[in-house]
Amino acid sequence: EAQVTQNPRYLITVTGKKLTVTCSQNMNHEYMSWYRQDPGLGLRQIYYSMNVEVTDKGDVPEGYKVSRKEKRNFPLILESPSPNQTSLYFCASRLNTEAFFGQGTRLTVV
Amino acid sequence: KQEVTQIPAALSVPEGENLVLNCSFTDSAIYNLQWFRQDPGKGLTSLLLIQSSQREQTSGRLNASLDKSSGRSTLYIAASQPGDSATYLCATYNKLIFGAGTRLAVHP
Repeated sequence: EAQVTQNPRYLITVTGKKLTVTCSQNMNHEYMSWYRQDPGLGLRQIYYSMNVEVTDKGDVPEGYKVSRKEKRNFPLILESPSPNQTSLYFCASRLNTEAFFGQGTRLTVV
Repeated sequence: KQEVTQIPAALSVPEGENLVLNCSFTDSAIYNLQWFRQDPGKGLTSLLLIQSSQREQTSGRLNASLDKSSGRSTLYIAASQPGDSATYLCATYNKLIFGAGTRLAVHP
C-alpha cells in the first residue's frame, strides 16, 4: 500500500529542546516536502526536496532544517523550537502530478 | 508568486443541497490542480486531480472543473450528506500551493 508515514503523530515539547519529525514514503518518489498548517492560513510549504541531497527552502523555512540522505526519508528538524512553531505539520511526496500526504504531526511548543 | 484563494471560507447547508466551492489562482501557468478533503485534525485525502489538458474530472457525487485562462476551478458536490462535512482544499502545481480551504458543514 502506498504510504507516507510521519512520526510522531503528537508531540509536546519545551522551548529550545531540539526535535526531529520523521517522514518516510514507500513509493520511490523523488519529490518530498514539508508543510505547516495554521488556522486561516492553509498549508504553507517549509522545505522541499527534488531528490537525494537536493533540498530547497519553501515559503516559511525559518527555524527549520531538513535532510535528504536517502530517497525514502525526509526528516524535519527543529534545532531550537519556539512557541510560534506550534502547528500541524504534514509531509508529502509526489511523482510528477499527484501528491500523497502523511497523517500529520501536531506539535505544541510550550 | 502564485496565490490561491478559496471562497467561501465556510459554508453551512442542509442535507441534500447541491454545492459549489470555488478556487481561484493568480498564475494561470499551472500544470495541474488537485482538490483535497481534510477532516478535523486529520491528514489530507485526495479527491480529484485535474491535469492541465483537462477541463473537468468526476468521481461519484463530485465534479471538479478547471478553467486555466480565467484562473478558476470549482468543486461541485451533488446531493450533499452530513458525511461530506469537512474542509476542502485546492492546490495548484507545479509547486504545490494551497488555498486556505472551505469549511463545509452539512446538517441533517
